[in-house]
Amino acid sequence: DGGITQSPKYLFRKEGQNVTLSCEQNLNHDAMYWYRQDPGQGLRLIYYSQIVNDFQKGDIAEGYSVSREKKESFPLTVTSAQKNPTAFYLCASSIRRQTNSNQPQHFGDGTRLSIL
Amino acid sequence: GQQLNQSPQSMFIQEGEDVSMNCTSSSIFNTWLWYKQDPGEGPVLLIALYKAGELTSNGRLTAQFGITRKDSFLNISASIPSDVGIYFCAGRSSNTGKLIFGQGTTLQVKP
Repeated sequence: DGGITQSPKYLFRKEGQNVTLSCEQNLNHDAMYWYRQDPGQGLRLIYYSQIVNDFQKGDIAEGYSVSREKKESFPLTVTSAQKNPTAFYLCASSIRRQTNSNQPQHFGDGTRLSIL
Repeated sequence: GQQLNQSPQSMFIQEGEDVSMNCTSSSIFNTWLWYKQDPGEGPVLLIALYKAGELTSNGRLTAQFGITRKDSFLNISASIPSDVGIYFCAGRSSNTGKLIFGQGTTLQVKP
């Protein structure tokens, strides 16, 4: 079945440690996104990528980094510079905006990151 | 930055009742999306709206794209226990092309 797979489901980070969250999709979507979700708040955009080898900062990119070496994969690294990383992280993908700008995003099942 | 105001923040209703929630913005949107999120899972798309005035149904769910392009509502008829979850609206700004999410409406259904 086509879909978006995020791993791991749960992740723990120690102080000063970088951690990487995986996101893989087999929907042949060009665009991929990372969101952060905190209790009682809407989703906030961290980074997005519309095409391989290109990505843009979202609204809360500080303390995070991404790469887009393959169409199917968009890993997110939470660096030690992110002082409040505890949250639920959601990856999404959609058909590329330029050709189908109104196509909705489809989400993975999320990774919950906590601090040890 | 741009924001969506989603209301109500939470609802606790009896099984069988109808539910209505809405989102409003100060900006014009060209797309409205409604998602449902179950605990510990990602949001699932329920309904997508692309034209002002558009009214779309998905089973017991009905959503409308407001005529002013600044609001949208979602109705759930004859609620059942599995309707429990968090419902998010999302709008794509006509100015920036960005997708902006509401804060969510938490729905609880009492059997």
